[in-house]
Amino acid sequence: GAVVSQHPSRVICKSGTSVKIECRSLDFQATTMFWYRQFPKQSLMLMATSNEGSKATYEQGVEKDKFLINHASLTLSTLTVTSAHPEDSSFYICSARARSVDTQYFGPGTRLTVL
Amino acid sequence: QKEVEQNSGPLSVPEGAIASLNCTYSDRGSQSFFWYRQYSGKSPELIMFIYSNGDKEDGRFTAQLNKASQYVSLLIRDSQPSDSATYLCAVSRADRGSTLGRLYFGRGTQLTVWP
Repeated sequence: GAVVSQHPSRVICKSGTSVKIECRSLDFQATTMFWYRQFPKQSLMLMATSNEGSKATYEQGVEKDKFLINHASLTLSTLTVTSAHPEDSSFYICSARARSVDTQYFGPGTRLTVL
Repeated sequence: QKEVEQNSGPLSVPEGAIASLNCTYSDRGSQSFFWYRQYSGKSPELIMFIYSNGDKEDGRFTAQLNKASQYVSLLIRDSQPSDSATYLCAVSRADRGSTLGRLYFGRGTQLTVWP
């Protein structure tokens, strides 16, 4: 149990385009989903927390207009990187947590390369 | 002081030995403690969680928690080359007005198990 999927697993795009990443909880209802970014040889950095049906809460320094998060259902959250630039190239990972459970389960990640 | 501190390693042990990974945290209000394993280029995978003081065993893995010392450890018995990965310690602390919290990650300890 506790399977989280992400799509796509890898994306290469041109500078200025927008990229949407989907995160799905496959076998449980995720009341809260988290979006992380990880640069090479660094630890995970939390970008934002999203609760189903509510606006996402962004961490300090993360531009909410650039990283659009939608959590419209209990099994799906999306992260859209708008007008992507090379410095946005990173490994984006989502995690999901069920109601009243403190454990987060991670998706397999999406590697974004912006040319 | 960082929320969660780990020795970055690398920690190198021979196959069959016990690998000991350590983690300290700064906030006494922390409530849940997790160990994740991350292979290179992959997302974190939950290994164990522990909430109460003492030891918790699961197969070759034992998590130890000492809240008085604000210390969490992970022991891996009979280490295998396939255990070679980065091990992330994560601590959960409830946000204000909520019973559940976000995860605070250490930078990870790189473990190498040599044959």
